[in-house]
Amino acid sequence: DAMVIQNPRYQVTQFGKPVTLSCSQTLNHNVMYWYQQKSSQAPKLLFHYYDKDFNNEADTPDNFQSRRPNTSFCFLDIRSPGLGDAAMYLCATSRGHTQYFGPGTRLTVL
Amino acid sequence: GDSVTQMEGPVTLSEEAFLTINCTYTATGYPSLFWYVQYPGEGLQLLLKATKADDKGSNKGFEATYRKETTSFHLEKGSVQVSDSAVYFCALTPGGGGSNYKLTFGKGTLLTVNP
Repeated sequence: DAMVIQNPRYQVTQFGKPVTLSCSQTLNHNVMYWYQQKSSQAPKLLFHYYDKDFNNEADTPDNFQSRRPNTSFCFLDIRSPGLGDAAMYLCATSRGHTQYFGPGTRLTVL
Repeated sequence: GDSVTQMEGPVTLSEEAFLTINCTYTATGYPSLFWYVQYPGEGLQLLLKATKADDKGSNKGFEATYRKETTSFHLEKGSVQVSDSAVYFCALTPGGGGSNYKLTFGKGTLLTVNP
């Protein structure tokens, strides 16, 4: 089945230690998104790629970066994680108005 | 800007009860409307959608009708099951053409169904 895959499902890192989360898709969608979701809240968009064009949300901290080396893969890099960055990170894809989400990566910062 | 307002809950029902989760929106033009469901520890799953006025989205016994006159997209199910326990998000993307597909979410409604 075509799908959005996120690895790992659970990631533990130390305060200040860089971490990378990955997302891949078999849907061949041209748009990919990264969201941050904290407990009992709606997902918050961090940035998205429209093909190779990177679009950063105005309030996304500089600590968060992203790479999209090809259509299928997209990475979220957190350069110096703080305790406040502990959250669920969701990847989504779309072609048109409907977004399809992956299962998420739960990030814990010690 | 665009916004979505939904019942915040929590909503607690007994199995086989009727479910309504209210959702209203503010947006220009004709947005596309969505309901997503999130089970504990999981990502969001698309439950149903509607892209124009009077469209009815349906899936797994859930329904919602795009009401332009009341700017609403209320979620309903005639008989809920314990397995429907989850958080439900109402959301929209802007209308018109172009490449702006940014989702605006409501705050989510936690549904708990008891046996």
